[in-house]
Amino acid sequence: DAGITQSPRHKVTETGTPVTLRCHQTENHRYMYWYRQDPGHGLRLIHYSYGVKDTDKGEVSDGYSVSRSKTEDFLLTLESATSSQTSVYFCAISAVFDGGGSDTQYFGPGTRLTVL
Amino acid sequence: TQLLEQSPQFLSIQEGENLTVYCNSSSVFSSLQWYRQEPGEGPVLLVTVVTGGEVKKLKRLTFQFGDARKDSSLHITAAQPGDTGLYLCAGGDTGGFKTIFGAGTRLFVKA
Repeated sequence: DAGITQSPRHKVTETGTPVTLRCHQTENHRYMYWYRQDPGHGLRLIHYSYGVKDTDKGEVSDGYSVSRSKTEDFLLTLESATSSQTSVYFCAISAVFDGGGSDTQYFGPGTRLTVL
Repeated sequence: TQLLEQSPQFLSIQEGENLTVYCNSSSVFSSLQWYRQEPGEGPVLLVTVVTGGEVKKLKRLTFQFGDARKDSSLHITAAQPGDTGLYLCAGGDTGGFKTIFGAGTRLFVKA
């Protein structure tokens, strides 16, 4: 199994509070991703990183920001959480990024976030 | 926007039965992948298909990529309870550097 951990694994918070989720990898992979998974929508890309301090937006980036100050850590921040951000969040890593989507992504165990 | 539609959304069968799940799009994809996800865990890659018409086998699972690279299917022979899970197809976005996921097929195999 790829060495990917996510913390916390579960979190309940209130609307309007800031929340930070952490993804940590021990594989030294260059590329890291944050997805959210909701019933009926599959996995949707929030943000991704192609190196330290290099990040870009995915398809559902509004309300989220990311940071990557070290190869092994990728942080996802909800500046002011809303109920629509209740979801399961997955971090993924990949060694290559060929632009064709055929690279293997390894996923973390997920963080279940509930915003009341 | 490229979309992947999976069918059926839910499938409940008896152990030993065969099944096929489908992943369809109106768009061409450079490659398609199938992942399997168990409750409380992240998805795990099963296979990647990159050539139109390609067929790959993984024990009792057979994956096919359509000739036009717009669709794919996953066929499971003699399903077992251990096959239970959420099956996700994913495609490489020809317009940019990202992977597009379908909503998934949830399979339950009863013993």
